[in-house]
Amino acid sequence: QAQVRESGGDVVQPGRSLRLSCGGSGFDFWDYSIHWVRQAPGKGLEWVALISYDGSNKFYRDSVRGRFTISRDNRNKVVFLQMDGLRVEDTAMYFCAKVMNTNRYSAPQTWGQGTMVTVSP
Amino acid sequence: IVLTQSPDVLSLSPGETATLSCRASQGSPRSSVSWYQKKPGQSPRLVISDVFKRATGIPDRFSGSGSGTDFTLTISSVEPADFAVYYCHYHGSSPWTFGQGTQVEVK
Repeated sequence: QAQVRESGGDVVQPGRSLRLSCGGSGFDFWDYSIHWVRQAPGKGLEWVALISYDGSNKFYRDSVRGRFTISRDNRNKVVFLQMDGLRVEDTAMYFCAKVMNTNRYSAPQTWGQGTMVTVSP
Repeated sequence: IVLTQSPDVLSLSPGETATLSCRASQGSPRSSVSWYQKKPGQSPRLVISDVFKRATGIPDRFSGSGSGTDFTLTISSVEPADFAVYYCHYHGSSPWTFGQGTQVEVK
């Protein structure tokens, strides 16, 4: 059974950095694109970034481009989200999600339980 | 593509039918609109993919339809477990986007 699990969330001050991890199991990790999606307290879901199966294509929402970097290590079945220059408005639960099939435009299907990032002075 | 969901809140009694709408700011040649159920403290759960395909384990009281810029999620005979927030999601191109959500609550 396919599973993904996030880790790395913490409380940090504005301007600091944090690296989130998303580990996969139960599927051929190297074949699937992975999303990061966040949900701020009391708000809706917000797409953050996607990395293609081989790491050759990376996409970001405008508000994080240049501050966040998505990467992956297929040998160790993990996707990273390096978050630099964190802002208060980045405070959210961060979810990673595996897409449904080998097409990166397929629906995110398998979601982790999330990891909380709090940016506070 | 911006997704706008309506209504923001839908108040229903168990057994009633829920009709949730999602309108896209522009059409896409791909049928790349899906629906997620989100409950507090839980991760999003895929309900409908690619406009009308029920995800694994989703009861047949859930159905999706639509084309172009207008998409609908229908829950016939709503059950207590169905009360949640539902999000439509466009995944046909970058940037991927979510609607603002429709809360289905107990009347």
